[in-house]
Amino acid sequence: QSVLTQPPSASGTPGQRVTISCSGSNSNIGSNYVYWYQQLPGTAPKLLIYRSNQRPSGVPDRFSGSKSGTSASLAISGLRSEDEADYYCATWDDSLSGWVFGGGTKLTVL
Amino acid sequence: EVQLVESGGGLVKPGGSLRLSCAASGFTFNNAWMTWVRQAPGKGLEWVGRIKSKIDGGTTDYAAPVKGRFSISRDDSKNTLYLQMNSLKTEDTAVYYCITYGSGSYAGGYYYYMDVWGKGTTVTVSS
Repeated sequence: QSVLTQPPSASGTPGQRVTISCSGSNSNIGSNYVYWYQQLPGTAPKLLIYRSNQRPSGVPDRFSGSKSGTSASLAISGLRSEDEADYYCATWDDSLSGWVFGGGTKLTVL
Repeated sequence: EVQLVESGGGLVKPGGSLRLSCAASGFTFNNAWMTWVRQAPGKGLEWVGRIKSKIDGGTTDYAAPVKGRFSISRDDSKNTLYLQMNSLKTEDTAVYYCITYGSGSYAGGYYYYMDVWGKGTTVTVSS
């Protein structure tokens, strides 16, 4: 049972826009920045979004993040086949004094 | 280029011990906060613990499932991070990732986050 709640799966067709949600509480998302990680099949996770809505250099601007209250979301526009991966949200939890993750969302490009 | 290479994984019996290493290069290791995250087979990501840089106190924090059994340390002279795992349980079976922190500043202070990940090393706890 993950502290942050994500839908287990999402899907879209090439070119579409998809959104993945991440729900938490006041002690985690409500108080801290949210981070998103992309894990392509068989590889290590990679930072996709930091500080809730910032993209590291090299991450396409098709990926965007937002946060409101105790929820956050990752949006992917212009969906491409290479976006097929698992996506995880993460943040620091002040009550647990540790990082917490969402359970992950498997994105399928139909 | 930042590189993190984990090693030391393998098969160990329940109750046994194992020490993982993470060799770092491409950045100033002694200034970096470091963390370990694990991923059980077919499951999601789970934070294990972190160690701050010595200049920031060198303190450690651990997730509840591993507290008292796992210990994180660093050797800045060797640019190496360690994870000592004792009293291992079958539920500790996972790929263990070494991660370096990124940081930034805002009006209220600094923020730190898990930035670059190694490729991971596999630990299997089984009789």
